Amino acid sequence: GQNIDQPTEMTATEGAIVQINCTYQTSGFNGLFWYQQHAGEAPTFLSYNVLDGLEEKGRFSSFLSRSKGYSYLLLKELQMKDSASYLCAVMDSNYQLIWGAGTKLIIKP
Amino acid sequence: IAGITQAPTSQILAAGRRMTLRCTQDMRHNAMYWYRQDLGLGLRLIHYSNTAGTTGKGEVPDGYSVSRANTDDFPLTLASAVPSQTSVYFCASSASGADTGELFFGEGSRLTVL
Repeated sequence: GQNIDQPTEMTATEGAIVQINCTYQTSGFNGLFWYQQHAGEAPTFLSYNVLDGLEEKGRFSSFLSRSKGYSYLLLKELQMKDSASYLCAVMDSNYQLIWGAGTKLIIKP
Repeated sequence: IAGITQAPTSQILAAGRRMTLRCTQDMRHNAMYWYRQDLGLGLRLIHYSNTAGTTGKGEVPDGYSVSRANTDDFPLTLASAVPSQTSVYFCASSASGADTGELFFGEGSRLTVL
């Protein structure tokens, strides 16, 4: 079966750095996505990785290792507004998105 | 403001009733999707449409139907609602297929079936 694993919840301090991990087992791979979802709102796109390595976009970076079936989302200089759920999704060989259950990130002052 | 509009935002429904969730986008995107989101689970695809006039089944299509008469509209119908269909439903669109990297989501429709 296909599976996406990410921690259910993480807590971090304002101004700090946090890394949210995602491991996957899918039938084929055509890219990995990270979305942010604030409570009661729609998911919004953060990043897309299809090749190994690090993609940096402002305070957010996303890393991919296809051989390890592993990705992480790195958030720097945390702000209170970063409190949200972070969803990892992998596109399989049929170009279907498989979604993880999401990681709820709690930022404390 | 360009984007996706869903209606209703919230609805309580008696079991056995028919319900249509509406979704309209003004971005001229070819592909549209319906997902349900349940606590502790990832988003699950119900139905999708790669272009106007075509639809396909996702991971959890049973009990749901869709139509895509034109580019902008993609309604989701529950023919006879059951309590297990209590969920938050998200409509989404993308420029071509989801392989372009970005899905745009509507604000969601919270449905409670009693």
